[in-house]
Amino acid sequence: AQSVTQLDSQVPVFEEAPVELRCNYSSSVSVYLFWYVQYPNQGLQLLLKYLSGSTLVESINGFEAEFNKSQTSFHLRKPSVHISDTAEYFCAVSDHWDGGSQGNLIFGKGTKLSVKP
Amino acid sequence: NAGVTQTPKFQVLKTGQSMTLQCAQDMNHNSMYWYRQDPGMGLRLIYYSASEGTTDKGEVPNGYNVSRLNKREFSLRLESAAPSQTSVYFCASSLRGWTDTQYFGPGTRLTVL
Repeated sequence: AQSVTQLDSQVPVFEEAPVELRCNYSSSVSVYLFWYVQYPNQGLQLLLKYLSGSTLVESINGFEAEFNKSQTSFHLRKPSVHISDTAEYFCAVSDHWDGGSQGNLIFGKGTKLSVKP
Repeated sequence: NAGVTQTPKFQVLKTGQSMTLQCAQDMNHNSMYWYRQDPGMGLRLIYYSASEGTTDKGEVPNGYNVSRLNKREFSLRLESAAPSQTSVYFCASSLRGWTDTQYFGPGTRLTVL
């Protein structure tokens, strides 16, 4: 069965500092990995995803994540954070490609990123 | 293009009351989902509909029912609300499968007294 572990429930950082949000998963088959972001009082939005190909994936706002199969990790990084990055970040994993009655998308418990001036 | 809309935004119920949460999407997506979000628990899937006319249970279906009314609309019903169902409920949709981006609505904050 799939599972997702986000190792930090809260990460406080200062503006312009680098940040890493950690995510580990377990699955017995091929996996597809996602990072979603939730700004205060909003629904979730996709930040980036890994389906296949290059193990390094990037978002339009400077975040990147690297799929590491040997360490079963998909950590999210940003070299310099802004106040506007304050949000809750969710890692998610699926082991099914298609939309049939099999499969699921399992979310981690979330990491609250707080960027301070 | 409104994306995914949910009604109501807030609701307070007494134990034993029933209600239906409404969800609609205008992106011509095939798949729709209902999640609940509780502090420190992340999102947990209640029910999903892979396509019009089909529904399947997710991780936490007990106490809920769903209806995929048509391709656009997917409702969630609480027949007899319990305090354990106090949560924020999110509807989402995706084009087809589990690897497609899910688009979320703004959520419904439900309190059961």
